[in-house]
Amino acid sequence: EVQLVESGGGLVQPGGSLRLSCAASGFTFSSYSMNWVRQAPGKGLEWLSYISGSGSVKYFADSVKGRFTISRDNAKNSLYLQMNSLRDEDTAVYYCVSLYGSLFDSWGQGTLVTVSS
Amino acid sequence: EIVMTQSPATLSVSPGERATLSCRASQSVSSNLAWYQQKPGQAPRLLIYGASTRAAGIPARFSCSGSGTEFTLTISSLQSEDFAVYYCQQYNDWPPFTFGPGTKVDIK
Repeated sequence: EVQLVESGGGLVQPGGSLRLSCAASGFTFSSYSMNWVRQAPGKGLEWLSYISGSGSVKYFADSVKGRFTISRDNAKNSLYLQMNSLRDEDTAVYYCVSLYGSLFDSWGQGTLVTVSS
Repeated sequence: EIVMTQSPATLSVSPGERATLSCRASQSVSSNLAWYQQKPGQAPRLLIYGASTRAAGIPARFSCSGSGTEFTLTISSLQSEDFAVYYCQQYNDWPPFTFGPGTKVDIK
């Protein structure tokens, strides 16, 4: 069974940093591209970032480009999102999502990031 | 960037009735459109892809039609577990992947 478990969320002040992690199991992690998708409270879904299976290709949404970094450790079956220069509008639940072809096929349960002073 | 829109924002339906949700893309996405269902407090789950193919375990009461820029998700006879928010998403031209704003299906 595919499992994606996010961690690392919490309360952070504006301008601060946070690193999210996603532990993957139940599938060959290195064979799958991975993504981060977020959802602000009461709002819709926003794709943030993509990383290929090898980690060599990365994409970012304009809203986080230059502030967020995506990485992975295939030996540890883990995905990461380093978030810097956080703003109030980054407050959201952050989901780790596997990509099957071009489909968001398995989702974690999400981790809540709150940016507030 | 392809902009996705959905209508209506909220759809009130009685159990057993049919629900019809619409999704529109700002430019053609061919059949590269997916639908996701999200229940309160849960992560979204893949419902339909390729504009009309149900994901594993999705019941036949869910169907989708359309191609290009106009798509429709139909739930033929709403069950209690179908009351949720539904998002469409294009994967024809990415990055970025883009989602519609969602349609909430609630109980009438």
